[in-house]
Amino acid sequence: GENVEQHPSTLSVQEGDSAVIKCTYSDSASNYFPWYKQELGKRPQLIIDIRSNVGEKKDQRIAVTLNKTAKHFSLHITETQPEDSAVYFCAGARGGGSNYKLTFGKGTLLTVNP
Amino acid sequence: EAQVTQNPRYLITVTGKKLTVTCSQNMNHEYMSWYRQDPGLGLRQIYYSMNVEVTDKGDVPEGYKVSRKEKRNFPLILESPSPNQTSLYFCASSPQGVGTEAFFGQGTRLTVV
Repeated sequence: GENVEQHPSTLSVQEGDSAVIKCTYSDSASNYFPWYKQELGKRPQLIIDIRSNVGEKKDQRIAVTLNKTAKHFSLHITETQPEDSAVYFCAGARGGGSNYKLTFGKGTLLTVNP
Repeated sequence: EAQVTQNPRYLITVTGKKLTVTCSQNMNHEYMSWYRQDPGLGLRQIYYSMNVEVTDKGDVPEGYKVSRKEKRNFPLILESPSPNQTSLYFCASSPQGVGTEAFFGQGTRLTVV
């Protein structure tokens, strides 16, 4: 089955700096890679996702890049703000048809210091 | 309001006493799943359901059962809970399979003593 590794496990940055979280996956057939943000005591929420036919996707201060050859994808947050502090999870899955088996990384605790 | 609702939010129980955590969604989503979240281990999928009467094992199904008799409900059953099932549980639903956003419930914190 799929195995998703996520690094680093904790990341501390100054407000305004950029933050990068990296993930690798094992199943070369995986084609869907979402990122979820979980604030303290709350539920995970989707912030951005990318499919294997796309190399990069941006949404305001957030971007995700995918390297299919190397089987890794990364989350980039620019101009970080204190409200970006949360745990971020990457995930991978072999999408299509009725498949719904999503494998998550172990999470990255991001702290943005004012 | 579109939502996924889990009950109870908090539960303390004793080893061996059967319990059910309910999950209901009002978005007419086909797919539902259960995850457990443990410190340092992230979110691990327990079971998922692609449609009514169709369920399948995730990565950590041992000790759990599920059913999907109606589209909106997907209860998680622990027939004989053990302390290693102490965890934070999340139910999620999505419109279709992989490739569509998963909407999570508020979570259920379960303690088995």
